[in-house]
Amino acid sequence: QKEVEQNSGPLSVPEGAIASLNCTYSDRGSQSFFWYRQYSGKSPELIMSIYSNGDKEDGRFTAQLNKASQYVSLLIRDSQPSDSATYLCARGGYSSASKIIFGSGTRLSIRP
Amino acid sequence: DTEVTQTPKHLVMGMTNKKSLKCEQHMGHRAMYWYKQKAKKPPELMFVYSYEKLSINESVPSRFSPECPNSSLLNLHLHALQPEDSALYLCASSQEVIAEGGTQYFGPGTRLTVL
Repeated sequence: QKEVEQNSGPLSVPEGAIASLNCTYSDRGSQSFFWYRQYSGKSPELIMSIYSNGDKEDGRFTAQLNKASQYVSLLIRDSQPSDSATYLCARGGYSSASKIIFGSGTRLSIRP
Repeated sequence: DTEVTQTPKHLVMGMTNKKSLKCEQHMGHRAMYWYKQKAKKPPELMFVYSYEKLSINESVPSRFSPECPNSSLLNLHLHALQPEDSALYLCASSQEVIAEGGTQYFGPGTRLTVL
């Protein structure tokens, strides 16, 4: 079992709709979680970080964390073509031997 | 300001060359990282520096040699690389050290091609 799992996609969503990206993790010690957006050939860009159960909203983006279910999600409202990218879910380190672990990423395509 | 800078943006080198990648951050971050990323794969951790000391080496071949001259700079020295080392090399930094689960901010990367 991978430590952080994501559906590789591609996930195709019509412009203006809500895109829902999901991620599960296996290590219950994880305390911090991150969503990065990566355009082809570019470096990962931080979209959201979340540490507590519940929802965290920032503009069109909402991150959701459920530690009991070991589940993290990212919702993108009013999807735009510029949201087309690969989204990386990651869980942060929590000890000297535990480093950030990335999922394999979900490719999101917003169709006009 | 969460800027991490990297130079050069692109690098082409032969297998006998010696080159260096440079990374700089002026955010006072205490941890810096080197990642390697191949196409359609997530970033793969190579090295972690905490308080300018090497804290994690992910069993990286010795042809890659990291250096942290001061708290703002991180270098990656390259020597006798193989074509399979061609990749995007990413530098990142975080305020907290790795055990504190801090947010990592990535630089733009160096696209390395080994001929």
